[in-house]
Amino acid sequence: GAVVSQHPSWVICKSGTSVKIECRSLDFQATTMFWYRQFPKQSLMLMATSNEGSKATYEQGVEKDKFLINHASLTLSTLTVTSAHPEDSSFYICSARGTGFHEQYFGPGTRLTVT
Amino acid sequence: DAKTTQPTSMDCAEGRAANLPCNHSTISGNEYVYWYRQIHSQGPQYIIHGLKNNETNEMASLIITEDRKSSTLILPHATLRDTAVYYCIVRVAVQGGKLIFGQGTELSVKP
Repeated sequence: GAVVSQHPSWVICKSGTSVKIECRSLDFQATTMFWYRQFPKQSLMLMATSNEGSKATYEQGVEKDKFLINHASLTLSTLTVTSAHPEDSSFYICSARGTGFHEQYFGPGTRLTVT
Repeated sequence: DAKTTQPTSMDCAEGRAANLPCNHSTISGNEYVYWYRQIHSQGPQYIIHGLKNNETNEMASLIITEDRKSSTLILPHATLRDTAVYYCIVRVAVQGGKLIFGQGTELSVKP
């Protein structure tokens, strides 16, 4: 299957700072990218969907001003957690879909710890 | 998108077939059934998908009932590396279709 990478794989930051997570589709063009969050022992929760060159669509209850998503190219999307707090500590996973409607590939995830 | 119901956990002996059920009784005619799995602390991995017919690939087989209200994922010869959480998801196969994850089934393959 296609490869999706995330950087960094883990990050520790202080409360009040911002953190940027990158998601790249390495061998295909991702027309749509998705960002998920996963707390320990829980399932993945969809945060937002973004199409290249368009504003992201956020799921209900997700603060768009806190979780800034940019999908500036067909191979790169970024998630910025602004003014991070300890409750934002989580496993963030991106996913990318190409032009086909079925194929959707997931990155390895980024572990964020806010101290 | 229709919701799915899966058992919370299952055990399987190594080398035996693992049969993971999924109930999706409210599935619509244009919704596909997708299976993903997530090994601890990794991103989900695509396994297989189907609409009406049974499907098979190098990883697994997907059996969908005739009324499409349930399906079974079959791992023919489970190995210890198949220990993971398995998610059954239904969604419309359109550009905006979203994969919404339920709680999944935690499969433990034991020696």
